[in-house]
Amino acid sequence: SYVLTQPPSLSVAPGKTARITCGGNNIGSKSVHWYQQKPGQAPLVVISYDSDRPSGIPERFSGSNSGNTATLTINRVEAGDEADYYCQVWDSSSDHVVFGGGTRLTVL
Amino acid sequence: EVQLLESGGGLVQPGGSLRLSCAASGFTFSNFAMSWVRQAPGKGLEWVSTFSGSGRLIYYADSVKGRFTISRDDSKNTLYLQMNSLRAEDTAVYYCPASKEGYSGSPFDYWGQGTLVTVSS
Repeated sequence: SYVLTQPPSLSVAPGKTARITCGGNNIGSKSVHWYQQKPGQAPLVVISYDSDRPSGIPERFSGSNSGNTATLTINRVEAGDEADYYCQVWDSSSDHVVFGGGTRLTVL
Repeated sequence: EVQLLESGGGLVQPGGSLRLSCAASGFTFSNFAMSWVRQAPGKGLEWVSTFSGSGRLIYYADSVKGRFTISRDDSKNTLYLQMNSLRAEDTAVYYCPASKEGYSGSPFDYWGQGTLVTVSS
């Protein structure tokens, strides 16, 4: 089965850049979606199709995907960005949705 | 405004059954792919099942295949999940996200607040 690997945690100072990676075999050939989940809340899609930003998501959020790694980048990190972030793909070989294990972003 | 309201969760004994419902409003339900995604306490997101939009295709995670059944009633704008032979590891908050592009690879655009299922004796 297809596996997505994320670092469990990442700490970033306010105003700096956070880069959250999502590793998978040839993930560059798949479309990657990213979700933000704050404590006690449902997930929210922040990036779809590798790099598309849904309406209402700040321009500070961007995404890229190439080779074996997809990356969610958050520029000028704010305290309100503190959350768990998940990557997700559709694996057509198994007809399964696959989530990464999640990355907890802490704003120092 | 898109709204998704999950219900039907609760405490059930191992081996028991439960049916979850997800009432949708604010969008053309029949065109959207609808899914169930769960989250065990303190854990990450786990996909459970997807029912595509117009294509009417159904997919299940290996962990629930043969035990859970997804269905939808477009006349009632409602998604269901019939869960049988429940196990302790099925304990989780169950969400029913909606995907506006209607097919299996599209993102989960809208989420409800979830319903908690606890499997315990």
